[in-house]
Amino acid sequence: EAQVTQNPRYLITVTGKKLTVTCSQNMNHEYMSWYRQDPGLGLRQIYYSMNVEVTDKGDVPEGYKVSRKEKRNFPLILESPSPNQTSLYFCASSAVAGETQYFGPGTRLLVL
Amino acid sequence: GENVEQHPSTLSVQEGDSAVIKCTYSDSASNYFPWYKQELGKRPQLIIDIRSNVGEKKDQRIAVTLNKTAKHFSLHITETQPEDSAVYFCAASRGRLGSSNTGKLIFGQGTTLQVKP
Repeated sequence: EAQVTQNPRYLITVTGKKLTVTCSQNMNHEYMSWYRQDPGLGLRQIYYSMNVEVTDKGDVPEGYKVSRKEKRNFPLILESPSPNQTSLYFCASSAVAGETQYFGPGTRLLVL
Repeated sequence: GENVEQHPSTLSVQEGDSAVIKCTYSDSASNYFPWYKQELGKRPQLIIDIRSNVGEKKDQRIAVTLNKTAKHFSLHITETQPEDSAVYFCAASRGRLGSSNTGKLIFGQGTTLQVKP
């Protein structure tokens, strides 16, 4: 089944404790992206990747890092999480940039 | 900067009525306009999309219209049903034929649609 997966689905952590949210797709998509969703603000892009080893900042990249060492994986790294990073995070992928994006199930993060 | 405005933020209709959600975009280079439906606790899922070379697209009870001159596009749902209740997001992007294409989807703020039985 073609899909985008994320782990973990729910995470409670404390300020400053490094964490990684994994994202994987099995559709051989070149383009992958991370969004955060906050009430009243819709979805905002954090980082994106056009292909392996090619990543760039989206609209709200501060406090986040990503890597794209393999085509299927695009982890989101929070080196030192802060409470303002409490949010719902979605990974998405598309065949190429500008095509239909398919979303993962989401990761709900709470930073205390 | 790039921006998509979506209205209304909430919409309540009776079952069987029609619902219309409108979006306006700022980036004139946008040429791909998807609509996503997000049920409570679920991921956004594509329900319909349109590219700038067409003015209207229909899929059963759902239709999208695009006015490139005015830079706005709309979602129309006819004969609404309770299962249509969800949050709907419009988005705009410089699709694959666009220049300076980062693939970024610029989302509207979302419309919460409630269909009353």
